[in-house]
Amino acid sequence: IAGITQAPTSQILAAGRRMTLRCTQDMRHNAMYWYRQDLGLGLRLIHYSNTAGTTGKGEVPDGYSVSRANTDDFPLTLASAVPSQTSVYFCASSDNPNQPQHFGDGTRLSIL
Amino acid sequence: RKEVEQDPGPFNVPEGATVAFNCTYSNSASQSFFWYRQDCRKEPKLLMSVYSSGNEDGRFTAQLNRASQYISLLIRDSKLSDSATYLCVVIPSGTYKYIFGTGTRLKVLA
Repeated sequence: IAGITQAPTSQILAAGRRMTLRCTQDMRHNAMYWYRQDLGLGLRLIHYSNTAGTTGKGEVPDGYSVSRANTDDFPLTLASAVPSQTSVYFCASSDNPNQPQHFGDGTRLSIL
Repeated sequence: RKEVEQDPGPFNVPEGATVAFNCTYSNSASQSFFWYRQDCRKEPKLLMSVYSSGNEDGRFTAQLNRASQYISLLIRDSKLSDSATYLCVVIPSGTYKYIFGTGTRLKVLA
């Protein structure tokens, strides 16, 4: 089934550890995005990529990094996790930046 | 003032009722608007785009009021399965970045 796959589904992580959230899409979409969703704050953009080889910072980029080596994959890395990064993380993609975005199932991350 | 604001609800309505939500935005030059639906512990899913002239998709009607800077979503003949959180999205002019509202929660009661 075509779509966006995120892994892991959930994770409990000790503070200070490094963690990479994976996101893969098979729709050949040019643009990809990472959001975090926190109660009362809604979805906030962390990083985005309008096309393979390029990335940009969103609203809350600090503590996160991304790469876009190819069209399909857009991993999000927490270099040294902190408790405030406990959240639900959604990856999304769109054919082009001005087209509707489609979301993956999300990753629930808890930092202890 | 937040860039995008929604009444969090919950809106509790009986089956068959008509319910409407508004979403206000602060950037008058905003160019594109969407409504998404999110079920509990699930990902947001696109419900519909919002066009300047208004648009309808079955029981759902979306409208844009640029003068007052809000978009609306009307749901007719509510079903139990419509229970969810409805998120509005605004894309400011000059950018393709989504600005999400925090969502309005709808509960349709039997």
